[in-house]
Amino acid sequence: EVQLLESGGGLVQPGGSLRLSCAASGFTISTYGMSWVRQAPGKGLEWVSAISDRGGRTYYVDSVKGRFTISRDISNNTLYLQMDGLRVEDTAVYYCAREKTWSDVVYWLDPWGQGTRVTVSS
Amino acid sequence: SYELTQPLSVSVALGQTARITCAGNNFRSKSVHWYQQKSGQAPVLVIYRDSDRASGIPERFSGSNSGNTATLTLSGAQDGDEADYYCQVWDKNSDWVFGGGTRLTVL
Repeated sequence: EVQLLESGGGLVQPGGSLRLSCAASGFTISTYGMSWVRQAPGKGLEWVSAISDRGGRTYYVDSVKGRFTISRDISNNTLYLQMDGLRVEDTAVYYCAREKTWSDVVYWLDPWGQGTRVTVSS
Repeated sequence: SYELTQPLSVSVALGQTARITCAGNNFRSKSVHWYQQKSGQAPVLVIYRDSDRASGIPERFSGSNSGNTATLTLSGAQDGDEADYYCQVWDKNSDWVFGGGTRLTVL
């Protein structure tokens, strides 16, 4: 069974750092692109970052560029999101998700992890 | 940047048909995907590539794409279908784009 399990969330002060982890099982993360998507309290879904399957190219939404770093450990089959310089507006539940594609022009996300909550507050 | 527009809420009587729309530009060149998110839970893929049902999704769920509007149709709505529904496309300039979400209420 394909599963994703996030961890690493918590309460942090503005300017602080957190590292989120997403442990994958049932598939090998190096053969799929992977994404992080967040959801602020009472708000909709916002894509945050992605890492490609081949070559591990990374992509970020403008609001986190230079502050967040996505990476993966293939030996542990785990995806990470290093979050530095955290701001109050980064408060959200963070989900990791596996990317699915058709002909490299159509992309969707399946499955999603259960999410980990990040709260940035003084 | 590319944008998707959904109605904030849709209501449907128990057992009737609900339709949730997602509007965007030039949908003919894109595929639309739909996710269901029940309260306190993670999103779950419902429909991908406009009209393909994800694994384990009942046949009551269907999708269509007619150019500038994609529609998620739920036939025979049940109490357990109450959730937020999000559409999504991938755009080469905007990457991953989600609609604002639609709250489905079953009356």
